[in-house]
Order: sequence, then structure tokens, then C-alpha cells
Amino acid sequence: KQEVTQIPAALSVPEGENLVLNCSFTDSAIYNLQWFRQDPGKGLTSLLLIQSSQREQTSGRLNASLDKSSGRSTLYIAASQPGDSATYLCAVSPNTGGFKTIFGAGTRLFVKA
Amino acid sequence: DARVTQTPRHKVTEMGQEVTMRCQPILGHNTVFWYRQTMMQGLELLAYFRNRAPLDDSGMPKDRFSAEMPDATLATLKIQPSEPRDSAVYFCASGWTRDGSSGFQSGANVLTFGAGSRLTVL
Repeated sequence: KQEVTQIPAALSVPEGENLVLNCSFTDSAIYNLQWFRQDPGKGLTSLLLIQSSQREQTSGRLNASLDKSSGRSTLYIAASQPGDSATYLCAVSPNTGGFKTIFGAGTRLFVKA
Repeated sequence: DARVTQTPRHKVTEMGQEVTMRCQPILGHNTVFWYRQTMMQGLELLAYFRNRAPLDDSGMPKDRFSAEMPDATLATLKIQPSEPRDSAVYFCASGWTRDGSSGFQSGANVLTFGAGSRLTVL
């Protein structure tokens, strides 16, 4: 059974700092991994999707990496801003056996002005 | 801008009442997911459909929850009777998935979420 773990659970940083969020998964047979952002009281917005054959994806100040063999992904946020404050979730989709997309519990990020 | 539409956005009801939540997936998406989010459990997968067929509803309490997809533009999640422990935000998400040579595979499309239905059962 796939399990997704995110560390840390919460993070508070001063504005301008670079930071890394971690995601690990127990079953490396994944098809893709997605990083989402969720603002309080809102739905989830997809940030980056990495296919299992890829090592990383970049969008603006965000860079997500994937090491499938070790079951790890990181989300790197450069030059953090107060507007980046949100909960970040990673989710993995299986390679076989169905389409279950399983989520981690998320990392709650607060960027102080 | 294509989006997943969920109704109602908020629902307050009394224990024992029936609750129906609706979802309109993005046109062209063939896979629909229902998730429940609580502070304690995070995002839990309740059920999902592919090409309108239910594939897995093992995450749902079978005695009171039911999920259906009467047509490609509508997915429903029903709770009858509702209980206070059902209070949560229910999210619908849709995406496109394809069959792979080794069986079902997850598709390349990004999963798109609706804004959620916040349910409070008193």
C-alpha cells in the first residue's frame, strides 16, 4: 500500500529565503508525482507534475525533483515571498493497478514579511 | 478557463439528514475522484470513476455513502444518513487517464480540483 510522507509538517521562514520541502513515498512504481498548493479554505491548485521518466520540472521560482528509485521528491522554492504562504501537498499516481492518486499530509509554509 | 464545479459550496445539516454533493468534471476528462479532507486525516480518497464506471470505492463507508456518475458531466456523492463525524470538506477532482500496455496506468494529465463542498453535520 502506497504511503506518502511530507517533512516538515510546518515551516516558517523570513521573506527572501530559499527553502526545500520534502516528500517521500514507499512504493517506487509510480506513473507521476504532482505538487499542489492549497490556500486556507480553498481547493488545490496543481503546481508541477513530474512523469516517472523525468528528474525535475521547473516553473518560475519553483523546482521539483524526483528520485524514483529512492522514493523521494523535493520542491524547491527560491526567494520566498509572503504570497507563497500556503500548504503544499505532494501526490503520487501508481504505475499499475489502478488510478489511485495518494496524497501526503502536506507542509504548512509561512513566509514572514 | 476549464474548471471542476462543485455544489453546494457550503452545507449545514442536522444529523440523520440526507446530503448530496455534485460535481461537474472538466469536459473531456475521463476520470473523476472524490476526496474528503479533515484536519486529522488529511486528504482521503473515497472513490473514483473512469469512463463513468466506478473503479474503487473502498475508501467510503459503504453503509451510508454512495457515489454515482449518471452521465459524463455529473458525479454525485450522497450521504444517508449523515453523522457529525462526516463533517469535512469534500473535493472532487478530474483528470484524463489512459490504458497502458501493462494494464491501467495513470494518465499524463494534471489532476484538477474543484473548490470543495464544506459539510457541517450538527
